[in-house]
Amino acid sequence: QSALTQPASVSGSPGQSITISCTGSSSDVGSYNLVSWYQQHPGKAPKLMIYEGSKRPSGVSNRFSGSKSANTASLTISGLQAEDEADYYCCSFAGSSTYVFGTGTKVTVL
Amino acid sequence: QVQLVQSGAEVKKPGASVKVSCKASGYTFTSYGISWVRQAPGQGLEWMGWISAYNGNTNYAQKLQGRVTMITDTSTSTAYMELRSLRSDDTAVYYCARHSGTSAGAFDIWGQGTMVTVSS
Repeated sequence: QSALTQPASVSGSPGQSITISCTGSSSDVGSYNLVSWYQQHPGKAPKLMIYEGSKRPSGVSNRFSGSKSANTASLTISGLQAEDEADYYCCSFAGSSTYVFGTGTKVTVL
Repeated sequence: QVQLVQSGAEVKKPGASVKVSCKASGYTFTSYGISWVRQAPGQGLEWMGWISAYNGNTNYAQKLQGRVTMITDTSTSTAYMELRSLRSDDTAVYYCARHSGTSAGAFDIWGQGTMVTVSS
């Protein structure tokens, strides 16, 4: 199972919006509405930000939103803040009780 | 509060085995699955496998088949991951993560991570 493809880095200024893409295949992202997104600060455990493509867990800012089209999922962060600087990973269910993560994207707030 | 607390850092020699524990608290352990995820230094997340805390069913990532075993002890609400025949590229932080109750496709609670170093 190959990792989902994400851009290595994305940057934006405070207040701007950025979008991170996550490209998989018809075997994972394209077949299931089970893409989740995680935020990871250095030295910390990942934190769930989006599940089932576009749903936010309780407590996650509404500045984070998700979507999916065909084999590509996307995470948008609006109103970028300094605290959003972190690594972001997508993850998709890939059938038969297996999962695959994305390659990860480093978000820099300029 | 709901949490997963993992065992401490390990240093192992190539060819040895390591067993990492993940103790759950604050929720009904048998109602949720647990996945194990690892992260090599400076690298991304890698899903290793899943275990149902309800019935012990497992599914492992293909690349780890034959070297990894995941079990649970429901009497202590603890999940374990054992990795055998360790190699240098198994050096990583190992996380346990609870499968969300509202979505099977998400991991909503994570352990703090256990650093496993494989070095001669």
